[in-house]
Amino acid sequence: SYVLTQPPSVSVAPGQTAKITCGGTNIGSGTVHWYQQKAGQAPVLVIYDDTDRPSGIPGRFSGSNSGNTATLTISGVEAGDEADYFCQVWDGSGDQLYVFGTGTKVSVL
Amino acid sequence: EVQLVQSGTEVKKPGESLKISCKGSEDIFSNYWISWVRQLPGKGLEWMGRIEPTDSSKSYSPSFRGHITMSVDRSISTAFLQWSSLKASDTAMYYCAIHSGWYFRSWGQGTLITVSS
Repeated sequence: SYVLTQPPSVSVAPGQTAKITCGGTNIGSGTVHWYQQKAGQAPVLVIYDDTDRPSGIPGRFSGSNSGNTATLTISGVEAGDEADYFCQVWDGSGDQLYVFGTGTKVSVL
Repeated sequence: EVQLVQSGTEVKKPGESLKISCKGSEDIFSNYWISWVRQLPGKGLEWMGRIEPTDSSKSYSPSFRGHITMSVDRSISTAFLQWSSLKASDTAMYYCAIHSGWYFRSWGQGTLITVSS
């Protein structure tokens, strides 16, 4: 089945920019979605269709997708952005229709 | 905002059966697929399967096929996930989520299941 690889952790100082990558074979040919999961809470959609933000998600969150890597960028990181982040794609080629990345813990220093 | 409300924490013994629920508004069940997602303690997210409420068609992940059953009761706007024989390895948080395409737009708060003798 399709595999999505993320770095286990990213550390960033408040006000700086965090970049979280999601690697997969030819991932740029499809669309990628991103979820934020704060400690003890359910996941929340923060980016869908590579670059779109649901209502209520700050403009500090942005996404890109090309080649073998998708990236979630958090600009002007705030303490409240500390969370786990998961990428996700739809894989219509197999039975595992929806595939999640391994997850990245973002720590705000 | 779309709301999904899941049933509460469960503590069960290996071999026991269990059915957990996910209740949404009628509008949700007319327009969205419902998926279930597992999260093992301290681990990532795993898609388990999807059900289409209007005709109850289902797709299961190969990892869970044969071990779980998904269903929906549209009359009470509720989706269900059930096990006939739980294992200790089923200990996890389980989320329901709705989607109309290829991403999960809204999630339930989660149901924690602990299976221990």
